Amino acid sequence: AQSVAQPEDQVNVAEGNPLTVKCTYSVSGNPYLFWYVQYPNRGLQFLLKYITGDNLVKGSYGFEAEFNKSQTSFHLKKPSALVSDSALYFCAVRDMGSSASKIIFGSGTRLSIRP
Amino acid sequence: GAGVSQSPSNKVTEKGKDVELRCDPISGHTALYWYRQSLGQGLEFLIYFQGNSAPDKSGLPSDRFSAERTGGSVSTLTIQRTQQEDSAVYLCASSFGQGGFEQFFGPGTRLTVL
Repeated sequence: AQSVAQPEDQVNVAEGNPLTVKCTYSVSGNPYLFWYVQYPNRGLQFLLKYITGDNLVKGSYGFEAEFNKSQTSFHLKKPSALVSDSALYFCAVRDMGSSASKIIFGSGTRLSIRP
Repeated sequence: GAGVSQSPSNKVTEKGKDVELRCDPISGHTALYWYRQSLGQGLEFLIYFQGNSAPDKSGLPSDRFSAERTGGSVSTLTIQRTQQEDSAVYLCASSFGQGGFEQFFGPGTRLTVL
């Protein structure tokens, strides 16, 4: 069965510092991996995805994520955090090894950027 | 509008009543998902429709929950005999299909069971 874990409920970073939000996954085949963001009182928005190819993928708002197959991780990163990045972030996975498989989400990580 | 729409946006009901939540996906999207989010927490998978295939109902928490998708478009999530623990935001998402297509989420329906 597929699963995804976000080990940190909350990440606190000072504005201008680099940020990392962690995600690990478990699938039977190869994964499709996604990051979504939920700003306060707004719907979930797609940030970026890994399908195949380059392990470093770039997405919206200056975010990027690195796929690491040996560590089964897909951590979200940004070189310089902004206060406006404060939001709830979700990692999601689909198992390519299972036909018609669903996308499941992690428990979410609340990112707080202090001025 | 071109996005996913959900109705109602808010629903307050009494314990024991039945409720129906509606989702209109983006035209042309063959995949449709229902999730539940409690108090700004994680997304709990409920059910997944893909084209004409049998839906994946593995996330439905009890037999009080059911969903259907008519004509490959609109979906209705029904909760019978609601309980207070059913209170949550119910989110619908659609995508082009299987594979690496990202999901587009609706604004959600906030359900409160008194």
